[in-house]
Amino acid sequence: DAGVIQSPRHEVTEMGQEVTLRCKPISGHNSLFWYRQTMMRGLELLIYFNNNVPIDDSGMPEDRFSAKMPNASFSTLKIQPSEPRDSAVYFCASRYSSGTEAFFGQGTRLTVV
Amino acid sequence: DAKTTQPPSMDCAEGRAANLPCNHSTISGNEYVYWYRQIHSQGPQYIIHGLKNNETNEMASLIITEDRKSSTLILPHATLRDTAVYYCIVRIPSSNTGKLIFGQGTTLQVKP
Repeated sequence: DAGVIQSPRHEVTEMGQEVTLRCKPISGHNSLFWYRQTMMRGLELLIYFNNNVPIDDSGMPEDRFSAKMPNASFSTLKIQPSEPRDSAVYFCASRYSSGTEAFFGQGTRLTVV
Repeated sequence: DAKTTQPPSMDCAEGRAANLPCNHSTISGNEYVYWYRQIHSQGPQYIIHGLKNNETNEMASLIITEDRKSSTLILPHATLRDTAVYYCIVRIPSSNTGKLIFGQGTTLQVKP
């Protein structure tokens, strides 16, 4: 298995533009997490899906952020409109809902200028 | 999930054992202790987990005190590639609503 696949690896965009980050979880995993990491705030959980259903989105910073999981093999995190303070590394992770370890992707480094 | 406390940073000489402590004094009976690490510019990586017995795998050993209020992750022969941020997390593994919450972790610097 190729592991959790995130795209793009790097994204540079201008303030106000829409940004879409993509994640393909490991096949068979039915829990998916989106995290954001910055120097100031560390690794923050944004949203958590179980069986494609959002279970907890309390970490989503504001209405500009939205996440979807239309099927078991794909999820998106969208920021519209983007702002410079959204600059961070965004990680996606997946695991079996009753399993123990979560597997993380390599992350998407987002820079909003 | 119970809160954990870790020292912000530690140094270790290459080839020596690295002992990373974690306090989780409010842990409940069905919560496990998990350790992850994050090497620079990569996603976090699972290391090991345990409930109350000591655990060992190919990466590390986990020692949990009898009262389960603290634990220690041991890297028996640290290498330069073990330089990373190490996170101690306490949670219930089989919970379908279980979130994986990371604290600030311990930055381990392995020095030659």
